[in-house]
Amino acid sequence: QKEVEQDPGPLSVPEGAIVSLNCTYSNSAFQYFMWYRQYSRKGPELLMYTYSSGNKEDGRFTAQVDKSSKYISLFIRDSQPSDSATYLCAMIKAAGNKLTFGGGTRVLVKP
Amino acid sequence: DGGITQSPKYLFRKEGQNVTLSCEQNLNHDAMYWYRQDPGQGLRLIYYSQIVNDFQKGDIAEGYSVSREKKESFPLTVTSAQKNPTAFYLCASSIFTGPGDEAFFGQGTRLTVV
Repeated sequence: QKEVEQDPGPLSVPEGAIVSLNCTYSNSAFQYFMWYRQYSRKGPELLMYTYSSGNKEDGRFTAQVDKSSKYISLFIRDSQPSDSATYLCAMIKAAGNKLTFGGGTRVLVKP
Repeated sequence: DGGITQSPKYLFRKEGQNVTLSCEQNLNHDAMYWYRQDPGQGLRLIYYSQIVNDFQKGDIAEGYSVSREKKESFPLTVTSAQKNPTAFYLCASSIFTGPGDEAFFGQGTRLTVV
């Protein structure tokens, strides 16, 4: 069983809809959680970082962490075709440790 | 501009050949990483290095080798022992001295065995 599970999609939504993405993890030692966005044939780029349980907002993006359920989410409001990409969750157990990635969810936002 | 550069962008390898992928960063980051990405598999860690002249195996190190002679460089050699090397390879660097330090990725090298 993988340490971090993520539905591969694809997740197809109409422009303007809310995109809902999530990851589950099995190891309660994970402390820091990140979401990366990866466009086709490009390297991933960091979107959001969270530490504690709860919500964090940044523009159209909201990240949620529920450590008791070992579940993290990313919501994209007012989705645009330019949001079409693969979204990867990542987490680390402590500062200085290696990142562990989910498999990524491919998102398609149709105009 | 500061950043992380991978070369080449596309690489073709014949069966039985070793090939080396380049990764250079001018961000003054201590930590560097190599990941392999296959469709539906996400990113899997091959090797990482947190300091010059030191590196550790990741989850799928077999058939790969690395060196870290300089802070800014972390080349990856895909050896003939790697049975299924066709993949997208990503190099990353980070400070990682505190929580949430961002890992910066290069643009990747797509390796194909012909």
